[in-house]
Amino acid sequence: GAVVSQHPSRVICKSGTSVKIECRSLDFQATTMFWYRQFPKQSLMLMATSNEGSKATYEQGVEKDKFLINHASLTLSTLTVTSAHPEDSSFYICSARTLGARDSPLHFGNGTRLTVT
Amino acid sequence: SQKIEQNSEALNIQEGKTATLTCNYTNYSPAYLQWYRQDPGRGPVFLLLIRENEKEKRKERLKVTFDTTLKQSLFHITASQPADSATYLCALDSRYSGAGSYQLTFGKGTKLSVIP
Repeated sequence: GAVVSQHPSRVICKSGTSVKIECRSLDFQATTMFWYRQFPKQSLMLMATSNEGSKATYEQGVEKDKFLINHASLTLSTLTVTSAHPEDSSFYICSARTLGARDSPLHFGNGTRLTVT
Repeated sequence: SQKIEQNSEALNIQEGKTATLTCNYTNYSPAYLQWYRQDPGRGPVFLLLIRENEKEKRKERLKVTFDTTLKQSLFHITASQPADSATYLCALDSRYSGAGSYQLTFGKGTKLSVIP
């Protein structure tokens, strides 16, 4: 089955530093990947849609200069949290579809737990 | 505004019983609805999809219904087992995201605990 690999699974960083999270589709090509953020007992909140070879589309309220997304190839998208602050501490999850069809399911990575101290 | 409600934050049931989880939505006209399972500290895993013209879908011990008049989906797990304990999320298709893809909007989930 389709596998999405996300690294690192956990990261602790100091306030003001930047953190890069990688999302790879291992056995399929993903022209589009989605980045979500999840707080405890809350739903997955879509942050941005990452399109290979073009700029990401950010959801309202998400700072594009703070959450930099790069989708350089059909199998890799990265999310960089720049100048991280404690309020950025959260669970970040990427996902992709094997097919572009509207009803094809999302395949998720196992998430990255970011803690900013 | 659009809203998805999974109206039980937590549900405890006895092993062997049928678990029924509810997903209600407002101000949506989804073409389909999906259910996912999420274990603690992990990403969600796709379980089932049901389209707007389908009333019911089954997969092994899982059954999903979709009532577009009531704007509701029910998710059933029959003969529940402790291994079924997890958070279950419903998701609706929403906006077109470009590049031939659509995004999903998720409910908050229902945490199911199956007690031995």
